[in-house]
Amino acid sequence: SQQGEEDPQALSIQEGENATMNCSYKTSINNLQWYRQNSGRGLVHLILIRSNEREKHSGRLRVTLDTSKKSSSLLITASRAADTASYFCAIVMNDYKLSFGAGTTVTVRA
Amino acid sequence: SAVISQKPSRDICQRGTSLTIQCQVDSQVTMMFWYRQQPGQSLTLIATANQGSEATYESGFVIDKFPISRPNLTFSTLTVSNMSPEDSSIYLCSVENPRDRGYNEQFFGPGTRLTVL
Repeated sequence: SQQGEEDPQALSIQEGENATMNCSYKTSINNLQWYRQNSGRGLVHLILIRSNEREKHSGRLRVTLDTSKKSSSLLITASRAADTASYFCAIVMNDYKLSFGAGTTVTVRA
Repeated sequence: SAVISQKPSRDICQRGTSLTIQCQVDSQVTMMFWYRQQPGQSLTLIATANQGSEATYESGFVIDKFPISRPNLTFSTLTVSNMSPEDSSIYLCSVENPRDRGYNEQFFGPGTRLTVL
């Protein structure tokens, strides 16, 4: 079952703007991961944040994790047309399995 | 990272038939995973396939419907049996990070888009 819930479901922004999406979950986690999917193809791993970490950066991506609120956010700065995709959070609990959220569809307008 | 290929990339099948999807990895991995993504939905784990043992199925998925083979450390197949239109989905395989086992990221194949008429 889906353990992560994401919002918003869809997001449309202008090129150059920032995009923020959120993920909430219900259980204790080992780590939380963000993936990108372009046009129904395979997923690309973006970033992993462990339960003892609060913030991570990777290029134009910034991820935060608040375990007390059981929530995470993904920020994409200075968005580009190539960032148009669906973004999924996935939690890892006490095993190796990924439990995916519903996803946020991001459209970056030129 | 790991490079994963899947065959076929897409197929259109008739109700009642079966389709076998292949997943090939360019490095040896212990765990391989099969997911289903129904139209407009998120990914749901079908089963975990470890080499040398029976696949472990998640709740709601059974071996008779989704038999899995894992003959070696670089290859796996998923069969979708006795298909119905409700099986129309993207099927994806993934593997654990071959260089850093544990609760880490997975690498995904490009997916197989299945349409059942």
